[in-house]
Amino acid sequence: GNSVTQMEGPVTLSEEAFLTINCTYTATGYPSLFWYVQYPGEGLQLLLKATKADDKGSNKGFEATYRKETTSFHLEKGSVQVSDSAVYFCALRSSGSARQLTFGSGTQLTVLP
Amino acid sequence: EAGVTQFPSHSVIEKGQTVTLRCDPISGHDNLYWYRRVMGKEIKFLLHFVKESKQDESGMPNNRFLAERTGGTYSTLKVQPAELEDSGVYFCASSQDRNQKRYFGPGTRLTVL
Repeated sequence: GNSVTQMEGPVTLSEEAFLTINCTYTATGYPSLFWYVQYPGEGLQLLLKATKADDKGSNKGFEATYRKETTSFHLEKGSVQVSDSAVYFCALRSSGSARQLTFGSGTQLTVLP
Repeated sequence: EAGVTQFPSHSVIEKGQTVTLRCDPISGHDNLYWYRRVMGKEIKFLLHFVKESKQDESGMPNNRFLAERTGGTYSTLKVQPAELEDSGVYFCASSQDRNQKRYFGPGTRLTVL
């Protein structure tokens, strides 16, 4: 079945530091890949997505590239801000009939001023 | 436009009691999904409604969980009787079409003592 494995947290960084949150997946077919973010007290929001191999999703300074050869979709940001503190979830949606989202366990990021 | 709302935001109950969670999707969204995150682990799919019909309930853990969506508008998720392992955060999401972006609510944090 489908599964998503993401880097365990929590991750604590200083402002302006470089961020990487690793995500690898197992899926049949050609899934779409997503990063969701949950800010304190809010629901999950779609941060970025990629629908095919070598696509790069980007938003708010965050990027992730769909790497089929390594089955990965690592999230990166060159310079984090305090406002980026949140829980980040990697997810996939299979190309099969189910098309339900499969999430990773989430990574708590805290950015200190 | 109002987003997905969930009620209550928090619920603390004793083992054996009944709890009902409510989700109001974005108006006009036929697709409604329930997910839960237990013990800080991955977010797991529970079920998917299309209007008032259960499209996919493969993620429902057992028959103590009952989801309804009468009239195809809001949905309720009842847990009866609640067990300790049911503690977690229950998320609801909605989308206009199953292939389109899903909008998540803030979640209901359920604690079973």
